[in-house]
Order: sequence, then structure tokens, then C-alpha cells
Amino acid sequence: DTEVTQTPKHLVMGMTNKKSLKCEQHMGHRAMYWYKQKAKKPPELMFVYSYEKLSINESVPSRFSPECPNSSLLNLHLHALQPEDSALYLCASNMWFGEKLFFGSGTQLSVL
Amino acid sequence: AQKVTQAQTEISVVEKEDVTLDCVYETRDTTYYLFWYKQPPSGELVFLIRRNSFDEQNEISGRYSWNFQKSTSSFNFTITASQVVDSAVYFCALSEETGGKLIFGQGTELSVKP
Repeated sequence: DTEVTQTPKHLVMGMTNKKSLKCEQHMGHRAMYWYKQKAKKPPELMFVYSYEKLSINESVPSRFSPECPNSSLLNLHLHALQPEDSALYLCASNMWFGEKLFFGSGTQLSVL
Repeated sequence: AQKVTQAQTEISVVEKEDVTLDCVYETRDTTYYLFWYKQPPSGELVFLIRRNSFDEQNEISGRYSWNFQKSTSSFNFTITASQVVDSAVYFCALSEETGGKLIFGQGTELSVKP
């Protein structure tokens, strides 16, 4: 299994909703990442988990809350988002820093 | 701080033309890794190549080739005899040995017309 699986593929939510994005990999990777990508822009790093511990938070607003319940799963909890948070959210993983990143196909999020 | 610059925002070519996508990077680390990813209209990021800072050998894979020059901090990507299916956004990216950040350039949107 060489895939990173993200669910849901699409999500529409209101500004008062609470939702979660889910990411799963079974490649034994020890580092997992959340990226945010706006249209016509490059992916921007949000969070990095290494061995299930948060190692990088790129000054992301607290309305985004990551969680790594185990080495295969990564969640992104969303609460009180703004319309400008609408974007493609990409999950990725690799074995070690500097190795090739495997990306999921993303969750296209729309905040109304 | 690490930085990647892709000066070409958009390139348009006709099928069978050769095209080179430029990438210039900045880093203070002596050990680092360079990548190219392709993002077709469907949206997924497709890995193309990874290079470490100690390996300056050029690489060829089919119609794709990469030229890594540490002296000019460049890692350019050439597609030979381009095809319509090559139309996509191409990202150059840099990861330093410590820290775990993979930072992307702004991307070059390549359009190959029949």
C-alpha cells in the first residue's frame, strides 16, 4: 500500500460548524504533514508531526487543530472557520525528513 | 531561511517543442534535498524527482531531464518533445536536512498545445 488516503474529498461547512479532515497511511511513515493550497498558489505548510508529536506549527490560527492519534492517522479539526479558509487541504507523509513526500489527493474545503 | 524561486509563472509551447523550467533555491544548510512535483488539473501532486545536495549528476528519465548546479543554486527541469499530457503546474521544492519543512516555489504552469 503506497497511498495516502484523505477523507472526505469535498466538504462544505458554515462558519459555526465543527468538522474534521482525516488522513491515513499504512506505509510505516514516521512523519506526517498538513498543507493548505489556494487556487493558483503553491502548497503552504501548516503542521508537521514526527513520531506522533507535533514538531512544526507554522503559526496556524487556533481554529485549525491537528491531532495524531497513532502513527497511521492524522486529523485536522476545524472550528469557526472563515470564508478565506476555503482551500485544498493536502495531507502528506514520509519516512524521514528529506525523503520523498507522498501526498493524498486532498480535501476541497468550502466555507460559507 | 530556505527559499525557492520559479521565475516563470506560465509557459506555453506547441507539442514536440522542448521546454525548460527554471528553479533557483536558497539555503544555508550544506545538506539539503531538491524535488520536482507535477500537479495536473485533477489536483494530485505527482512526485517526479528527488536530489540530495551531494549528488550533482544530471538525471534523465525518458523525456524528462534535470540539471543540478550547486554553483548557481539551480535545479532546472527540461521536457523534451513535449506532449499535451505534460500540461500541468510544476513545482520545485526544497527540504533542509533538519526541521522537516518542504518548501515549494510558486510553480510554473505549463500549457502544451497540439
